[in-house]
Amino acid sequence: EVQLKESGPGLVQPSQTLSLTCTVSGFSLTDYSVHWVRQPPGKGLEWMGVMWSGGSTAYNSALKSRLSISRDTSKSQVFLKMNSLQTEDTAIYYCTSGGTGHWGQGVMVTVSS
Amino acid sequence: DVVMTQTPPSLSVAIGQSVSISCKSSQSLVHSDGKTYLNWLLQNPGQSPKRLIYQVSNLGSGVPDRFSGTGSEKDFTLKISRVEAEDLGVYHCVQATHVPYTFGAGTKLELK
Repeated sequence: EVQLKESGPGLVQPSQTLSLTCTVSGFSLTDYSVHWVRQPPGKGLEWMGVMWSGGSTAYNSALKSRLSISRDTSKSQVFLKMNSLQTEDTAIYYCTSGGTGHWGQGVMVTVSS
Repeated sequence: DVVMTQTPPSLSVAIGQSVSISCKSSQSLVHSDGKTYLNWLLQNPGQSPKRLIYQVSNLGSGVPDRFSGTGSEKDFTLKISRVEAEDLGVYHCVQATHVPYTFGAGTKLELK
């Protein structure tokens, strides 16, 4: 069974760095891509970036200067790091498998002092 | 970036009624591999999105056949026949042909 699960801090201070982990099971990171998508409260979905199965990445140009995605295939984990967080980065952050269409449960991140 | 225009923003329906949601893209979604990567998602209240349809018309695993997707190039439609209570929530279209992937603004399906 394919599963994805996001983990990370629920609260981040302004100007600090967000670090999230997506742990997957039921498929290999070398077979399918993993994307990060976020959703501010009461708003729509925004694609942030992707770790392709071959190991390369692509990012939303609006976030590219602050965003980094990496992975550890041995642990079936994909990592998101985004720096210089502001209040507008408050959102639910999801990881999703490109090939299987599965989504994680999401993790709510609040940026506040 | 590809702009996805999704209409209507909301729909009020009775159980058993059929409805359609439109999604139009600012450029063709036909990939260089010949496939069209237009997906439909359903986000039930308080839940994460779930993929209903991929590549325009293919039903996701476990998705009932009252859902159907049609369209080509820049114009796509999701139809729900005989709406059930579990279908209520927000529907999103998303194009996965061009990077960055982009989403429609969503259509909220509510009970009349």
